[in-house]
Amino acid sequence: QSALTQPASVSGSPGQSIIVSCIGTSNDIGTYNYVSWYQQHPGKVPKLLIYEVTNRPSGVSSRFSGSKSGNTASLIISGLQTEDEADYYCASYTTSVTYVFGTGTKVTVL
Amino acid sequence: EVKLVESGGGLVQPGGSLRLSCAASGFDFGAYDFHWVRQPIGAPLEWVSGLSTTGDTYYAASVKGRFTISRDNARNSLFLQMNSLRVGDTAVYYCARDKGANWFDPWGQGTLVTVSS
Repeated sequence: QSALTQPASVSGSPGQSIIVSCIGTSNDIGTYNYVSWYQQHPGKVPKLLIYEVTNRPSGVSSRFSGSKSGNTASLIISGLQTEDEADYYCASYTTSVTYVFGTGTKVTVL
Repeated sequence: EVKLVESGGGLVQPGGSLRLSCAASGFDFGAYDFHWVRQPIGAPLEWVSGLSTTGDTYYAASVKGRFTISRDNARNSLFLQMNSLRVGDTAVYYCARDKGANWFDPWGQGTLVTVSS
């Protein structure tokens, strides 16, 4: 099972919106709505941001949202803030009854 | 407070074994699935293994046949027995809770496993 493909880096200015893409296959993202997104600050533990493509756990800012089209999932960060600077990972359940993570995206706030 | 605390990491030679533990508190341990996810330093996350409430186990191809996941509901603990360790298994290993809906929340603080001669 190959890792889901994410851009290595995405940047934006404070207040802007950015999109982090996550490209999978028909064996994972294309078949299931079990896509989740995680935020990881340097030296910290991953934190759940989005589950089941579009749902936000309680306590997660509404500036974070998710979507999916075909084999590609997306994380949208609106109103970019300096504290959003972190690594972001997507993950999906697969037809092999396993899970696969993305290659990770470093978000930089200019 | 929901808490997961991993332990058991360390330095081991290639071919050796190590047993990781994850102690849970603050919730009904037996009602949840659990996973191990690893992250080599400076590298992406990689799912390693999962264990359901009914005892079903799942493994990544890279560890199948070498790693065994288990749980002790009476001790609120999750384990990962790692045998035939390779240099490529070097990583921080996290345990994570799953309510059976295929996402990971929360995560423990991680334990570092280093496989080196």
